Amino acid sequence: AQKVTQAQTEISVVEKEDVTLDCVYETRDTTYYLFWYKQPPSGELVFLIRRNSFDEQNEISGRYSWNFQKSTSSFNFTITASQVVDSAVYFCALSEVDSSNTGKLIFGQGTTLQVKP
Amino acid sequence: ETGVTQTPRHLVMGMTNKKSLKCEQHLGHNAMYWYKQSAKKPLELMFVYSLEERVENNSVPSRFSPECPNSSHLFLHLHTLQPEDSALYLCASSQATFSTGTGFEKLFFGSGTQLSVL
Repeated sequence: AQKVTQAQTEISVVEKEDVTLDCVYETRDTTYYLFWYKQPPSGELVFLIRRNSFDEQNEISGRYSWNFQKSTSSFNFTITASQVVDSAVYFCALSEVDSSNTGKLIFGQGTTLQVKP
Repeated sequence: ETGVTQTPRHLVMGMTNKKSLKCEQHLGHNAMYWYKQSAKKPLELMFVYSLEERVENNSVPSRFSPECPNSSHLFLHLHTLQPEDSALYLCASSQATFSTGTGFEKLFFGSGTQLSVL
């Protein structure tokens, strides 16, 4: 069965600090997708990134970077030089693809990030 | 503005009431989803509609009844709910078809309806 673990429930940092949000997943499939979503106080989840299981290249987008390591089943997310606007709940998610080409997105518990000025 | 609008934003209802949650997407997507977000629990997928057909019903109690009259609108009809059903109900949409599949594409979420059942 698939499972996503975000061990950090809450993280608090001071503005301009770097912060890494951990995500560890479990799956038996060789084909799967990993996601990160951000949920600001307004409530809607905002898509940040999607990676497929065959693409282990790390990704950088501005202050955001992601480290995908299949060997440790981890897909960690780093925010460099954090800002107050980064304060939100961040969700890691996993979707396996079955034979009917239907996936089911399973979310982790979420990590609440508070960035203080 | 994500292109997915949910109404109402807040809803308080008694256990004997009947109410409906509404979701509308303006993105031209053809798959829509209902998720439930409870305190201290991960987001739970409730229903998936692709091209107006329900493709996923994730063991949700019958007191929750979805309806998808067209690819832009999704409803969640509620009746005889329990206090433990109090949660944030999130609607999402995506560009998915039977050939590309659902469940592993980028989702666009609404802001949710915060439901309290008394």
